Amino acid sequence: GAVVSQHPSWVICKSGTSVKIECRSLDFQATTMFWYRQFPKQSLMLMATSNEGSKATYEQGVEKDKFLINHASLTLSTLTVTSAHPEDSSFYICSAMGQIGEAFFGQGTRLTVV
Amino acid sequence: AQSVTQLGSHVSVSEGALVLLRCNYSSSVPPYLFWYVQYPNQGLQLLLKYTSAATLVKGINGFEAEFKKSETSFHLTKPSAHMSDAAEYFCAVTSGGATNKLIFGTGTLLAVQP
Repeated sequence: GAVVSQHPSWVICKSGTSVKIECRSLDFQATTMFWYRQFPKQSLMLMATSNEGSKATYEQGVEKDKFLINHASLTLSTLTVTSAHPEDSSFYICSAMGQIGEAFFGQGTRLTVV
Repeated sequence: AQSVTQLGSHVSVSEGALVLLRCNYSSSVPPYLFWYVQYPNQGLQLLLKYTSAATLVKGINGFEAEFKKSETSFHLTKPSAHMSDAAEYFCAVTSGGATNKLIFGTGTLLAVQP
């Protein structure tokens, strides 16, 4: 199956700093990628749809200025958590869609803000 | 609108016993349905998918699921549980295509007892 690589796997940052998470489709092109947030023992919450060459589409309640998404190429989308606070600590997962709508997921990034 | 309901947030079976994880969907258009598995601190791995072809779908690791339109169900089964099957399982629905969102169920945590 298709491979999606997410980096870093985990990161610890100080409150007030920004963190960038990368999501790459390694063996296919993805015009659309998705960013999810997952709280402990809960399902995935869709944060935004990342569209190559255009602005991301954010879900209701997700702060656009806090969670900056850039999809500069057909194989790379980035999520930047700006001015991170402890409540932003979470597991962030990206996915890229295949031709029939199946999602290929990255390994996830565990963000801890201290 | 589409939605997925997973009955039972926790399921426990004995090693060697039948695994049955329930998923019911709601969709106004012909659905594409998926089962994903998530191990701790990892992304999601596709187990199997239904995309309007055969109603009985076989996936990886001995899992299979049957699409039943009359019951709007897509339950996941495995004849004999293995200790390595212990994980979180998510059912998801989409209307297909590379830009359509996946809608996830709340997940079912499968425990396998020795």
